Amino acid sequence: DVKVTQSSRYLVKRTGEKVFLECVQDMDHENMFWYRQDPGLGLRLIYFSYDVKMKEKGDIPEGYSVSREKKERFSLILESASTNQTSMYLCASTDEGGVFRNTEAFFGQGTRLTVV
Amino acid sequence: LAKTTQPISMDSYEGQEVNITCSHNNIATNDYITWYQQFPSQGPRFIIQGYKTKVTNEVASLFIPADRKSSTLSLPRVSLSDTAVYYCLVAPRGGGSYIPTFGRGTSLIVHP
Repeated sequence: DVKVTQSSRYLVKRTGEKVFLECVQDMDHENMFWYRQDPGLGLRLIYFSYDVKMKEKGDIPEGYSVSREKKERFSLILESASTNQTSMYLCASTDEGGVFRNTEAFFGQGTRLTVV
Repeated sequence: LAKTTQPISMDSYEGQEVNITCSHNNIATNDYITWYQQFPSQGPRFIIQGYKTKVTNEVASLFIPADRKSSTLSLPRVSLSDTAVYYCLVAPRGGGSYIPTFGRGTSLIVHP
């Protein structure tokens, strides 16, 4: 069974802390994504990566950074956590694929982060 | 990427058929229509994908008219466990640099 695993389901951190959210996929997918989800706003893309050591900003990258040192792992970093970063964070991966390959996105179970 | 529009919310009752329509007027020739389902406190999961006409699997059916400017996700005989948010996405076959873009989706509430 294919899997995207996020390191924590729930996290509580203090304002100003540096926070690491880890995501690992076992499908050898090239593409990985970090989203945050807030009530009424749907999923918003923070950062994504097409390959190891590559990263691209999504729609809301401010206050975040990412790291992709290995193909299977994509980390989201909150350099100095703030209360407005309290949210559900979702990691996803997709296959680069070829013409007939499915572009299905596989998601982790989510990390609910609370910054106090 | 083609923009999608779907209702914000829908209500239904157990045992009824639910149809959620999504419009995607600017769909490209090589785009597929994909639907995801998200339960509370979980990540979205893929439920069905189609290009034209009708696709059916064990979860749902997807109806796509000839002009492909809209699609309808059909859930037969819903139960309470079908309460979820349903997202319609347009995606090119073949991955590459495709970025899954999710709107607000349709929040379906199934009542007893």
